[in-house]
Amino acid sequence: EDKVVQSPLSLVVHEGDTVTLNCSYEVTNFRSLLWYKQEKKAPTFLFMLTSSGIEKKSGRLSSILDKKELFSILNITATQTGDSAVYLCAAPRRGNQFYFGTGTSLTVIP
Amino acid sequence: DTGVTQSPTHLIKTRGQQVTLRCSPISGHKSVSWYQQVLGQGPQFIFQYYEKEERGRGNFPDRFSARQFPNYSSELNVNALLLGDSALYLCASSLDLRTVNEQFFGPGTRLTVL
Repeated sequence: EDKVVQSPLSLVVHEGDTVTLNCSYEVTNFRSLLWYKQEKKAPTFLFMLTSSGIEKKSGRLSSILDKKELFSILNITATQTGDSAVYLCAAPRRGNQFYFGTGTSLTVIP
Repeated sequence: DTGVTQSPTHLIKTRGQQVTLRCSPISGHKSVSWYQQVLGQGPQFIFQYYEKEERGRGNFPDRFSARQFPNYSSELNVNALLLGDSALYLCASSLDLRTVNEQFFGPGTRLTVL
């Protein structure tokens, strides 16, 4: 059975801390893994990873995929209160029908 | 450029009732997908429509149905509501069935079943 598992389920840090969010997957015919940020309602796209070992970076956020070990990590450095959100990882199964993990709820305290 | 819109934003129903949720995709997008997100969980895939045809269905009972109209907007219907149907229902649109990283989500409809 396909599955996407995220850890930890929740995390509370102080501003300025660095956090690492984990996503492991077992998806038939794996092609890519995506990270989303969900603040209130609509998940917003962060990264798509298709190749192993290549880091994607956007400002303080970065992500990398390990296709051999079937996991991805999302790093956030120098966290800010605006980073507080649920972070979701997803793997498409057929076309762009996404299989999501349960999410990691990040709270950044001033 | 208008994003994905959904209506209504909130809805309260009682058990056994029926509900219709609506989604308008981004202009030019022909694919619409529906997801259910129960509190504390990630979104779960319900349906995908492309060019008015169902292209995928998740593991949901027959009480859930959907359709896509000629203008590519979509409706999700849920019959005989159960308490467990309380969730945020998200709609996502994309140009086609292949553009994985260009699938955009709407703000969702929060359904509460009492």
